[in-house]
Order: sequence, then structure tokens, then C-alpha cells
Amino acid sequence: ETGVTQTPRHLVMGMTNKKSLKCEQHLGHNAMYWYKQSAKKPLELMFVYNFKEQTENNSVPSRFSPECPNSSHLFLHLHTLQPEDSALYLCASSPAAQGRSNQPQHFGDGTRLSIL
Amino acid sequence: GESVGLHLPTLSVQEGDNSIINCAYSNSASDYFIWYKQESGKGPQFIIDIRSNMDKRQGQRVTVLLNKTVKHLSLQIAATQPGDSAVYFCAENMDTGRRALTFGSGTRLQVQP
Repeated sequence: ETGVTQTPRHLVMGMTNKKSLKCEQHLGHNAMYWYKQSAKKPLELMFVYNFKEQTENNSVPSRFSPECPNSSHLFLHLHTLQPEDSALYLCASSPAAQGRSNQPQHFGDGTRLSIL
Repeated sequence: GESVGLHLPTLSVQEGDNSIINCAYSNSASDYFIWYKQESGKGPQFIIDIRSNMDKRQGQRVTVLLNKTVKHLSLQIAATQPGDSAVYFCAENMDTGRRALTFGSGTRLQVQP
């Protein structure tokens, strides 16, 4: 049990479909993140939310649309994706940073996304 | 869940031996570092962290060493076990209030029984 739960674990979709990835954390954290892990690159940050507010968008294409309704839930809405978007999408959470304190991020097990 | 397809450096050790996994970082302003372990089909799992005001930190069977002069981080695993086989990532963060991590490309550890 990681404390960060992602659903679905696997998703296959066509380029014209619309789907959503879900992440839920049970750790009482206030910051949540989306990362992309693809076969040919290191882990890449996509979005950061802190207290439900988006604080970072790492130049992610608009076909990826995040939503954070509360500090425990994070969604990634997908539409008209491309084959190169096939990857493992990881959600993470951490306590909101206070002052000079850093805390580790805790990851879910990811959603393996395949675009046909 | 690991970076399959990425040309990862691989460290192969015998069960019971000590393992040392290295990581170089480039940002001299980074002052918080984390090691993660990622097993097949799973997300990265936190192992140990260290702040830049320290040069060594120990956990259970693991030790992280930080050399800020040469911007080098290492993870030492004592008495390596088959269950330690995984991809290991170092990550860094600058203490500017930005809470995002920058990850290295990882090292695959293979433990031979």
C-alpha cells in the first residue's frame, strides 16, 4: 500500500478518444504532481499543484488537462493524444513545503497508457 | 514501471556483497537529494534523503554520501539481497520553494543469487 492510488493501472485508447486518469492520496499531503515516464527519457515533471492551485506547468501540450478538486485528488484529462504520448504516467504527493523544509515525494504505481 | 528501453547503466553484484550506486548532479544550488527505488510494474519508492548541510546519512542497510565539492551523490547498500534488484534513481531539488524534483536517468541493479 503506497498511500497514493492511481487508476486505471492500464489504459489503451485511440487518438480520438477522451479519457481521464485518477490519483488519490491518503497521506494528508497538500502538494500533488503528475510525471511522465517514457521508454527513452528520464522521469519528466508535467504539473504541480499546491493546496489545489496549479503552481507549475512544464510546457505540457494542451491535450493534457489536469484537474485538482481538492488536496487528495488529482486528475489528468486526456484528449486527441498522439502515439508518442504512450508512457507510464505517475502521480506523486508531498507535504506542502514550509520555509526551507523539503520532504520526499511519494509516488503511486502509475497508469500505463498506450495510444493506438 | 522502470525506464525500459532507456540505456541504463547496470550494476551486477553477488548476493551478500555491498553495492554502490553513483549519481552526478550539475546544479550547485541543489540542496536536497533523494534516492528512489523502482521495481518492475511499480512506481518509485522513497529510500533515503539528505540535505546539503550533511555529507552522510544512514538508514537500514543503506547509506547516502554527498560530496558537494564534486557534485556527487552515492547510495551504498549493505549485504545486497535479491529483493534489492531494481532501478535506482537519484533526484535533486533546489530549496527555492519549487517543490518539483529533477530525476537522473537511473541505474539498474541486478543481484545474482
